[in-house]
Amino acid sequence: GAVVSQHPSRVICKSGTSVKIECRSLDFQATTMFWYRQFPKKSLMLMATSNEGSKATYEQGVEKDKFLINHASLTLSTLTVTSAHPEDSSFYICSARDKPGLAGGYNEQFFGPGTRLTVL
Amino acid sequence: AQSVTQPDIHITVSEGASLELRCNYSYGATPYLFWYVQSPGQGLQLLLKYFSGDTLVQGIKGFEAEFKRSQSSFNLRKPSVHWSDAAEYFCAVDPPRGSSNTGKLIFGQGTTLQVKP
Repeated sequence: GAVVSQHPSRVICKSGTSVKIECRSLDFQATTMFWYRQFPKKSLMLMATSNEGSKATYEQGVEKDKFLINHASLTLSTLTVTSAHPEDSSFYICSARDKPGLAGGYNEQFFGPGTRLTVL
Repeated sequence: AQSVTQPDIHITVSEGASLELRCNYSYGATPYLFWYVQSPGQGLQLLLKYFSGDTLVQGIKGFEAEFKRSQSSFNLRKPSVHWSDAAEYFCAVDPPRGSSNTGKLIFGQGTTLQVKP
């Protein structure tokens, strides 16, 4: 259980175009999804947190008009890189988390396999 | 500044040898602590986590980690490394916020593990 998928797994686009990346929780309802960016040989940087049905919360330094996040359903969040440029080339990873249960406790994040974006 | 640090960028061990990957954090209170593994081109898999209680935590794939409050550390260990353990390892924290935690993960820089035959 707790499988998160991403589509596409890799995408190449021209500079100036927009690219949409999907993140889906396949067997649970994800009330919260996270988007990370990973540079080559580097760590994961949290870009934003999205809760189903509400606006995403962006981390400091992340341009919300550049990286549009939509979390319209409990199983799907999308990240759209608008007017992409070569510096946006990166590995984008999403994670998803279920809502806390009635007993409380900590809900771990489950990670998708990532999307490799290359902007020419 | 609040942070999580993995001092070793790259580690090479021989197959069958023991392994220890270091992780240190800098927060006012103890965060929730995690170790993840990432194989090339793959997502992250949780190896183990520590919230409270017993300071020696057992995880999957034969890994364990020990929380040491006095050293602000959460080092990952494995007694005998297998070639399939070659991967990128990330220490992560969910920082404390008030009486709870933020729910967000902050990752260390990662340690690349290479296993020699």
